Amino acid sequence: SAVISQKPSRDICQRGTSLTIQCQVDSQVTMMFWYRQQPGQSLTLIATANQGSEATYESGFVIDKFPISRPNLTFSTLTVSNMSPEDSSIYLCSVAGEGGYTFGSGTRLTVV
Amino acid sequence: QQQVKQSPQSLIVQKGGISIINCAYENTAFDYFPWYQQFPGKGPALLIAIRPDVSEKKEGRFTISFNKSAKQFSLHIMDSQPGDSATYFCAASKGTSYGKLTFGQGTILTVHP
Repeated sequence: SAVISQKPSRDICQRGTSLTIQCQVDSQVTMMFWYRQQPGQSLTLIATANQGSEATYESGFVIDKFPISRPNLTFSTLTVSNMSPEDSSIYLCSVAGEGGYTFGSGTRLTVV
Repeated sequence: QQQVKQSPQSLIVQKGGISIINCAYENTAFDYFPWYQQFPGKGPALLIAIRPDVSEKKEGRFTISFNKSAKQFSLHIMDSQPGDSATYFCAASKGTSYGKLTFGQGTILTVHP
C-alpha cells in the first residue's frame, strides 16, 4: 500500500490566520481525500481531490474555507483559512489504492 | 444522515477474551466494508476488509462477519491482547473503484491484562 507523508504533524495557530497542510504520497494515485477528525470523534470527509480537476467538497465544507490544490498525482495541499478555535481538529489525507485506503498520520491543529 | 452506525461506543475486555464490535449500514449501494484501527496520535490503519460476496473473512485473530440481508457487519477480535487497545472504526464505500469512505462513530477498546 502507499506510504503517505503529511506535514506538519502538529501546529498551534492564531485565530484569523491560515495553515497549509501538505500530503506527499510515494506513488501516483488518482484520488486523494481530506478528512477532519475532531477530538474524540470519527472521521468526516472534507473533500475529494483528483489531479487536474477542481476538488469536490462535502456538505458543510466550502472551497473558500478549505482550498485544496492537487498539482500532480503524488501531492496535495489543504489550507484551513481564517481559522477559529472551532477548526481545532486533526486533519488527515488519504489515498485509495489496490490495498484499500491508506491514511497519513494527520496534522493536529490547535487554534488559539 | 448517519449512514453507518457503530456500537458499542466503548468496550472493555479481559486479556484472552473476544471483542465484538458491530456496524449497521443503510445504503445498499455500499460494496466495500473495511475496519480501521487507530492508536492515539496516529492515522487509521486498515485492519481487514470485506466485500458483500462473502459472509466471513478471517485474518489471524481478526474476523469480519457480514450479513447482507440485515445490512450489518461485525468485527471479532479473538484472544484480545492489551496491545489491541485502540479505537476501531468501521466504514463503507460504494462503486467498482474506490470512492469516498463513510465512517462509523468509532469504538474505544480497552483490553485489561
